Amino acid sequence: AQSVAQPEDQVNVAEGNPLTVKCTYSVSGNPYLFWYVQYPNRGLQFLLKYITGDNLVKGSYGFEAEFNKSQTSFHLKKPSALVSDSALYFCAVRPDMFSGGYNKLIFGAGTRLAVHP
Amino acid sequence: DGGITQSPKYLFRKEGQNVTLSCEQNLNHDAMYWYRQDPGQGLRLIYYSQIVNDFQKGDIAEGYSVSREKKESFPLTVTSAQKNPTAFYLCASTPSWGGGTDTQYFGPGTRLTVL
Repeated sequence: AQSVAQPEDQVNVAEGNPLTVKCTYSVSGNPYLFWYVQYPNRGLQFLLKYITGDNLVKGSYGFEAEFNKSQTSFHLKKPSALVSDSALYFCAVRPDMFSGGYNKLIFGAGTRLAVHP
Repeated sequence: DGGITQSPKYLFRKEGQNVTLSCEQNLNHDAMYWYRQDPGQGLRLIYYSQIVNDFQKGDIAEGYSVSREKKESFPLTVTSAQKNPTAFYLCASTPSWGGGTDTQYFGPGTRLTVL
């Protein structure tokens, strides 16, 4: 079965330190990968996506993500965390069209990021 | 101001009642989606619509119904057959269905509580 795993329910980071939120996937073919952020009682905001090309993808608010095909991972990173980055982060995968993907997204369970002053 | 709007923001329902959640977009997107979010779980797809007058069941369609009579509107009805409807409901859209690289954009959500 196709799935996305976010192994950490919560990540705690001190402000100014680098942060990493992990994501691994089990999807056949060459999937497209996405990160979204959600603030309390709000919809999801798009951060970045990997389609093809350079394995390091840069996105909104200083976030970036590294695609690793051999490890089937797409970890979200930021060099210096801000308190305002505290939110719920979702990794999502879209199987490629040859695997029946079209526009259907498979979401991970989410990781809560807490950045402490 | 382009985007996706959902109303109401909060909705309370008595057991046995049907309720309808509104989703409107002015992005001129062809495809629209409804997701359900429960604590500790990722988003789960309820229904999706590739184009006007077409819609398909997602992974958890039982107890829900939709319509797509207009391109900009994709209302979701939560029926009394839905056994555990208390959740946060999110609507999303993409420019097209076949464009695999399209980003899904989300509305602000509706929190439904059954009393």
